[in-house]
Amino acid sequence: GENVEQHPSTLSVQEGDSAVIKCTYSDSASNYFPWYKQELGKRPQLIIDIRSNVGEKKDQRIAVTLNKTAKHFSLHITETQPEDSAVYFCAAGFQKLVFGTGTRLLVSP
Amino acid sequence: DAGITQSPRHKVTETGTPVTLRCHQTENHRYMYWYRQDPGHGLRLIHYSYGVKDTDKGEVSDGYSVSRSKTEDFLLTLESATSSQTSVYFCAISSGGNTGELFFGEGSRLTVL
Repeated sequence: GENVEQHPSTLSVQEGDSAVIKCTYSDSASNYFPWYKQELGKRPQLIIDIRSNVGEKKDQRIAVTLNKTAKHFSLHITETQPEDSAVYFCAAGFQKLVFGTGTRLLVSP
Repeated sequence: DAGITQSPRHKVTETGTPVTLRCHQTENHRYMYWYRQDPGHGLRLIHYSYGVKDTDKGEVSDGYSVSRSKTEDFLLTLESATSSQTSVYFCAISSGGNTGELFFGEGSRLTVL
């Protein structure tokens, strides 16, 4: 089955800096790669996703890149703000989604 | 927010007792999921449903059963709860199938003593 690894487990940045979270996956059949954000005590919510026929996708300050050859994808957040502080989960799948273990991002003012 | 509610939101029970968690949706989505969330493990799929009476196992299905007799309700049952099943349980729904956006419920915190 699919196995997703996510790094780093924690990431601390200063407000205004960029943050990058990386994930690798094992199943070459996976074709859907979403990212979810979970604020403390809240439910996970989708922030961006990418499908295997696309190499990069942007939405304002966030972007996701996908390298299918290397089986890795990354989340990029530019101009970080304190409200970006949360746990971020990547996921990969074809018929079932498998989630990474999460990255706790802390943005300090 | 998508129309999805979970009950109960909090439950404390003892080892060996049965527990049922309920997920209710008002969106008429075909796909429904149960995940558990534990520190260091992220979100792990327990079971999912792709229609009334149609269910399948996820990554961590041992010790859990599910039922879906109506489109709007998806029940997760722990036949005999164990301490290792202490967790936060999230229900999710999707209109786009197994690779579509998931809308999560607010979570149910279960403590098994």
